[in-house]
Formats: sequence, C-alpha cells, structure tokens
Amino acid sequence: RKEVEQDPGPFNVPEGATVAFNCTYSNSASQSFFWYRQDCRKEPKLLMSVYSSGNEDGRFTAQLNRASQYISLLIRDSKLSDSATYLCVVNSQGKLTFGTGTQLKVEL
Amino acid sequence: DAGITQSPRYKITETGRQVTLMCHQTWSHSYMFWYRQDLGHGLRLIYYSAAADITDKGEVPDGYVVSRSKTENFPLTLESATRSQTSVYFCASSESVSLPQSNQPQHFGDGTRLSIL
Repeated sequence: RKEVEQDPGPFNVPEGATVAFNCTYSNSASQSFFWYRQDCRKEPKLLMSVYSSGNEDGRFTAQLNRASQYISLLIRDSKLSDSATYLCVVNSQGKLTFGTGTQLKVEL
Repeated sequence: DAGITQSPRYKITETGRQVTLMCHQTWSHSYMFWYRQDLGHGLRLIYYSAAADITDKGEVPDGYVVSRSKTENFPLTLESATRSQTSVYFCASSESVSLPQSNQPQHFGDGTRLSIL
C-alpha cells in the first residue's frame, strides 16, 4: 500500500462546478498535511495547509479526518485557471511524502 | 529576488558522465531537499539536509551525492549518470521541521529537466 494515495483522475468538470478530491494516508503518526498545486510539470506550489478543524481559503476548503486517515479538498465555483494537478502531501517526522496527484480539468 | 533557484533548467548528458545540479536559496531556511519526479511515482525524496554539513538519505539516494557546505547551497551530483536517472529534479527548502507539530511547508525551485542519453 502506498503511503499516500490519490485518485489520479482526470476529473473533467464544467466551469462553475464544485469538485472534491480525497487522499488517504497510511502512517497514523503523520503530523501535518498540505495540498499543493502543480501545473504542467512546473514546480509544486503550496495551495493550503490542512488543519484538524478544517480550513477554508476563498473557494477552497480542506478537511482532515485523522480517524479514517484521509484528507479532502473541495473547490467551489471552479475556474478554468483551476485546471492543474493537485498533490496531497503528508508530513511525518519532518519528511514530506507526496501523492501522485489528481488531475483536474475545468472546461467551458 | 529572494527565493529558491535551480540551475541548469535543462540538461542533456551521456551515460557515465558526472553532472551536478545546483540549488540556491535566499531565505536562510534550515532545511533543503532534493526530489525527483517521474510519471506514476510522484515526487520522491533523494536527499535532504537539516543544516550546513548535515545531510541524510531519502527514499531513493542510490547514485546521488549531496553536500551542504553553506546554508544557502545544496548541490546534487550524479557521479556516473544512468538512463534511469532521466527525470525532473526539484529542490525545495523549508524552515525548521524538527518539531513534531511543525506545520512548515516546503517551497520549490523551478526544477531541472535532466535527460541522460
């Protein structure tokens, strides 16, 4: 089993749609969690950290379920510019483990 | 401008050659990391460094050497390049991640696209 697992997609959604990605992790001792965005094999860029209580940043909402060991990312009112690969990242003892990413394509 | 820079951006070399990828950061971050990214594998950690003169192996260290004589630089060397090392290499840095509850993210350079023929 991979340490961090994501559905690779692609998720093809119309502009304005709401889309959600899930990510599961295997190490129950993991301490912190992030979502990164990566465009066309450019460098990954931090989208948002994920906090236990859940957190929101504009159209993006991240949630963490430690009991079930999964993280989610919800994108509301999708924009064409949201098209990218979204990487789930888990921090265990200072080492980040990256999921392979979920590809999102937002279409007109 | 402050940030993290990698060089070269693109490199083509031959099997058996030595090649060094450079990484420089201006944030004075303690931690620096080298990853490779290949289709189907996501980002995999090669080596990381907690401070100057402190380095440690990641998930896929074989065939690579690193050094950290200065806090701001973290070069990665392929001593004898192989075709399997064709990949996109990313350098990253972060503030201290030593605390168990640390929530410090990593910031990435633009990447080096390395092709080994």
